[in-house]
Amino acid sequence: DQQVKQNSPSLSVQEGRISILNCDYTNSMFDYFLWYKKYPAEGPTFLISISSIKDKNEDGRFTVFLNKSAKHLSLHIVPSQPGDSAVYFCAADRNTDKLIFGTGTRLQVFP
Amino acid sequence: GEEVAQTPKHLVRGEGQKAKLYCAPIKGHSYVFWYQQVLKNEFKFLISFQNENVFDETGMPKERFSAKCLPNSPCSLEIQATKLEDSAVYFCASSQSREIYEQYFGPGTRLTVT
Repeated sequence: DQQVKQNSPSLSVQEGRISILNCDYTNSMFDYFLWYKKYPAEGPTFLISISSIKDKNEDGRFTVFLNKSAKHLSLHIVPSQPGDSAVYFCAADRNTDKLIFGTGTRLQVFP
Repeated sequence: GEEVAQTPKHLVRGEGQKAKLYCAPIKGHSYVFWYQQVLKNEFKFLISFQNENVFDETGMPKERFSAKCLPNSPCSLEIQATKLEDSAVYFCASSQSREIYEQYFGPGTRLTVT
């Protein structure tokens, strides 16, 4: 049973435009959400997170939005840069410390 | 150190052989986690430690997998009698405390069982 879903396996965006990556979850007990970026042959790199008591968190070009009623979160990257091309994973935690990961979205930013 | 270190980078074992993977968490981090990435994009939680104590081992296939985090030593994940399906990338992550949810990952160890 996939508790965290990223339904778009890939996304292609032009440099300078906004990239929007989506994530849905089924377990209402999740209380913290994280986004990781992964390059091939490397470990996931932490990007940004959000607590379930908030609906938005911003860090530079990255903003995460949380809609608890829809059990949906999204990562906005603006402006997108070629170096952002990677696989992005959404992850959730319900105070048990183990992260439940989505299956990832491959973002390609082209010139 | 400032990063999670994992060794070796690659490990090849014949079916039935033992495999041992190592992880040094970020200095000052109390929690260590092991994840297995079998298919390219699926992470499976295996086990977590709070210092040298097992915190959560619900993901561990107990028959052949074991793990330790001893004081002043790297943490280790050991697979006895490896099987073909154990071929995966094994990631270690560490976090500072229970109140801080962010986990920082190492580069992974790619295990190939032939």
